[in-house]
Amino acid sequence: DAKTTQPPSMDCAEGRAANLPCNHSTISGNEYVYWYRQIHSQGPQYIIHGLKNNETNEMASLIITEDRKSSTLILPHATLRDTAVYYCIVRVIGSKIIFGSGTRLSIRP
Amino acid sequence: GAGVSQTPSNKVTEKGKYVELRCDPISGHTALYWYRQSLGQGPEFLIYFQGTGAADDSGLPNDRFFAVRPEGSVSTLKIQRTERGDSAVYLCASSSSSADTQYFGPGTRLTVL
Repeated sequence: DAKTTQPPSMDCAEGRAANLPCNHSTISGNEYVYWYRQIHSQGPQYIIHGLKNNETNEMASLIITEDRKSSTLILPHATLRDTAVYYCIVRVIGSKIIFGSGTRLSIRP
Repeated sequence: GAGVSQTPSNKVTEKGKYVELRCDPISGHTALYWYRQSLGQGPEFLIYFQGTGAADDSGLPNDRFFAVRPEGSVSTLKIQRTERGDSAVYLCASSSSSADTQYFGPGTRLTVL
């Protein structure tokens, strides 16, 4: 079973920041938080990952709470192309990915 | 550079037939993964190769499913005596090592009639 809990759906206005929450209260010390997204009819796309420090790349920012029991993926300026299912995953580096049901993010014009 | 490619993109077959699905990983990637995704669900792990050998095949649902990677690059997922419940999108991912980020292909949509 997936070790994360995400809201099934969210929506966000185009141009605004999209903040996607994820709970992973049973995360172990050697498990990383990964985010992938899946646009309709495509394979999952890697977004970002982190262990305990906040991370930022060209796609998004990842904020991990100090106790590491939850995290938030931030898309700073959402566009229509960001409409997708977003998966939050916890895994030990090198292990298989166990996907949950994800959050279906809709961006409204 | 070129990403993970999968062929065919769509495959329709009849119940009881044999099918092969192909995955071409990113050049130089040593680790290769197969996942299966049913409608409305997240991908489900099937098998993982490190080089030519299957390092973890715990996700294969039964002995009708088999995968090979004879030269450590291209992999083929083989399904014997297909059943309607095998209908799904079969995804392949590769990474430069077992410790690295997995990059996914577009998937093969298998429909068993």
